[in-house]
This record gives sequence, structure tokens and C-alpha cells, in this order.
Amino acid sequence: DAEITQSPRHKITETGRQVTLACHQTWNHNNMFWYRQDLGHGLRLIHYSYGVHDTNKGEVSDGYSVSRSNTEDLPLTLESAASSQTSVYFCASSVNRAGEQYFGPGTRLTVT
Amino acid sequence: QKEVEQNSGPLSVPEGAIASLNCTYSDRGSQSFFWYRQYSGKSPELIMSIYSNGDKEDGRFTAQLNKASQYVSLLIRDSQPSDSATYLCAVNIAGQNFVFGPGTRLSVLP
Repeated sequence: DAEITQSPRHKITETGRQVTLACHQTWNHNNMFWYRQDLGHGLRLIHYSYGVHDTNKGEVSDGYSVSRSNTEDLPLTLESAASSQTSVYFCASSVNRAGEQYFGPGTRLTVT
Repeated sequence: QKEVEQNSGPLSVPEGAIASLNCTYSDRGSQSFFWYRQYSGKSPELIMSIYSNGDKEDGRFTAQLNKASQYVSLLIRDSQPSDSATYLCAVNIAGQNFVFGPGTRLSVLP
């Protein structure tokens, strides 16, 4: 069955380290999204991509980057992890830009 | 400012009752609307999407959209304890991305 996966599911890292979170989908969706979810803020968009080699900044993109070299993957990189980036990160994908988004299981990141 | 608002709850209903969840949005350009369910520690799961005014039914769930009043609601009939979760409203503005509401926590009491 087609699916969307994220890895790792849990990660603890130190302040200042570079961290990459993986997102892989087998639905062949062109559109992929990264969100973070924090108590009191809900889901906030970090970066998104509408296709290979396309990337765009979302609402809370500072300190994060993405690259899209194929349809299946959109890795999220924290260039220099900060304690404020401790959060749960969700990847999502969709067929249409304005259509239903389907979420991965999430990655819980703790920055100490 | 694009905003999506929901009552944070918790909303408590007895088992078998109708749960009514509401969502208002600020941008009149919004074109598509979604309800997600999120269990504690899990990812959001799509329940319903609605694109035009009126009601849309799927099993025990009914989504209602009123673009003139800028609200969308979700009714859950015959509520079950397994429906206890946080319900997220998401709004897509034309040509732009989803904006999620903060979610409403629903508790269905046996």
C-alpha cells in the first residue's frame, strides 16, 4: 500500500548541531509539506514543495531548509539546532495544491 | 491576517449524543475546508473535506459549510468514546496553503 513515512520517529540532539529529518511518500504526490506542532500554536507550515526542484518558505521557515531532488522525498534540515526547535514535526503530501493533505506519523525532536 | 478559529474545549458529550464542532475563518477567499482528527501522540487523520455550501455526510460525520457566514462545522452523530480526540479545522485559501485552527478537544463520556 502507498504510504508516507518519517524517520527518525524520535531524535534528541544538542544545540548547534545540524539535523535532518526524512520524509518519504510512495503515492507519487507532487505536493509535499513540512509542519511543526507545538502546544498553544497548533500546526504551522515550515516549508513546502510543489514538485521536483521546487521549494517554498512557509510561515516559520527561519532556521530550516528543504530540498526536493525526486518526487518521493522532502528532507527537512535544521542548520544549527536551537532549543526553540524542540517540537513535533509532521510531513504531509497531496495530489492537488488545494486538496486533501495526508500526514506522516511525525518526528518528535528534542534539542538540549 | 489569515485566521482559523476554533473553541479549544474540552467539549464533553455523553455517549450516543451528537457532538457539534465549529470553526470560523477570516479570509473570504477560502475555497476548500477540511476536518482532521488527531489522537494524542498521533498524526492528523483526514475525516472530511467540503468545497461548496451546504451539508456533506459520510457515515456518522456531517460537515456543514456556510461561506457567507464564514463558518464550517462538523457534526458527529451517535458519539462513541473512540471519537475522543482533538479535531482540527483546516482552510485552504485560493492559490495558497492550509491554515489550521488550534483544534477542539472532544471527550465522549461512556
